Amino acid sequence: AQSVTQLGSHVSVSEGALVLLRCNYSSSVPPYLFWYVQYPNQGLQLLLKYTSAATLVKGINGFEAEFKKSETSFHLTKPSAHMSDAAEYFCAVSVNTGTASKLTFGTGTRLQVTL
Amino acid sequence: GAVVSQHPSWVICKSGTSVKIECRSLDFQATTMFWYRQFPKQSLMLMATSNEGSKATYEQGVEKDKFLINHASLTLSTLTVTSAHPEDSSFYICSAREHRLPRRTDTQYFGPGTRLTVL
Repeated sequence: AQSVTQLGSHVSVSEGALVLLRCNYSSSVPPYLFWYVQYPNQGLQLLLKYTSAATLVKGINGFEAEFKKSETSFHLTKPSAHMSDAAEYFCAVSVNTGTASKLTFGTGTRLQVTL
Repeated sequence: GAVVSQHPSWVICKSGTSVKIECRSLDFQATTMFWYRQFPKQSLMLMATSNEGSKATYEQGVEKDKFLINHASLTLSTLTVTSAHPEDSSFYICSAREHRLPRRTDTQYFGPGTRLTVL
């Protein structure tokens, strides 16, 4: 069974600092991985996805993530945090059930950006 | 593109009443839609997978008679919470999958969510 683990339920960075949100996966088959962002009282917005093409994936809002098979990781980074990046971030893995693919989400990481 | 809407965005109802939540894919056809439930400060829990024209597939522990799902068209799925009780209060989020192959690369696009409060 596939699963993801997000290390750190809460991360705080200063504006302009590097953002690093950690995600490790467990999968018996090559995984497809996603990062979503959720702002308060809103649905989820796709930031980026890895689908076995390039291991370094660039997403929206300056975010990127690198798939590292040897470390079973898919950490999300952004060189310089902005106040508007404050939100909840979810890592997810696609689970193929045969007739449909389902997403299994991590527990989320709340990013706080301070002045 | 790939916009998913939900209606209503919030609803307050009395215990014992039923509430219907609509999920629409606005600019694409979604053969599959998903319904999630999210408790405060927690992750999303998949409730059911809805395929157009067929019965929904419910996750273990989700009462199918309690949470009725209908996916009558390629752009609309509805979730009806029947005889709602305070413990059903939650944030309900739908997603729609843009149909592509292979399926595991499909991207799910999420609606803005519906906050249900049962008094």
